[in-house]
Amino acid sequence: SYELTQPPSVSVSPGQTARIPCSGDALAKQYAYWYQQKPGQAPAVVMYKDSERPSGIPERFSGSSSGTTVTLTISGVQAEDEADYYCQSTDSSNTYLLFGGGTKVTVL
Amino acid sequence: QITLKESGPTLVKPTQTLTLTCTFSGFSLTTSGVGVGWIRQPPGKALEWLALIYWDDDKRYSPSLKSRLTITKDTSKNQVVLTMTNMDPVDTATFYCAHSFKYYDSSSSSYMGSYFFDFWGQGTLVTVSS
Repeated sequence: SYELTQPPSVSVSPGQTARIPCSGDALAKQYAYWYQQKPGQAPAVVMYKDSERPSGIPERFSGSSSGTTVTLTISGVQAEDEADYYCQSTDSSNTYLLFGGGTKVTVL
Repeated sequence: QITLKESGPTLVKPTQTLTLTCTFSGFSLTTSGVGVGWIRQPPGKALEWLALIYWDDDKRYSPSLKSRLTITKDTSKNQVVLTMTNMDPVDTATFYCAHSFKYYDSSSSSYMGSYFFDFWGQGTLVTVSS
């Protein structure tokens, strides 16, 4: 079955850059979306259509796509960015949706 | 503003059927393009997409759970209902409902799925135990 693969964890010092990759065969054709989830809260979208930032999301969040890998980048990481991040996309024919396994971002 | 809220039992027994209701405001499932989906998250684990229904009754299901899921809408009550049969302790999770949408693509004269969730409910924890 089709899967989206993310690293389980990423650690970064304040002010540095965090990069969270998400890989999947259909990502070469389909858009990816990113959600941030803080403890005890519902997820919130921080990136859509690979690199579009919703209103209210800080500019330090950016997204990119290359082949079968999409990447969420957090530049100038702040303590408040510590959270779980999930990528989400669809299969190659847009029949179903799926989430990646999630990446815990720790701000050292 | 758009809000969604999940409701249903907090505890179900193994083999029982779970019925969850998502009650929303700020939009209508009679409006072209609108959709509502369900996502679950076992404690300490990742999100898992379950089902999605659009205003035109287009329904999508997770392939791995399709045989156990049914999603329906009640436009008069602004509600979407998810049923999951044959519940098992491994189905213990927080269940979220969320708003999605299709957008009209003039070049193809058709609606295209956005396939993401821009507004979420707070979630409801369902425990499966005897």
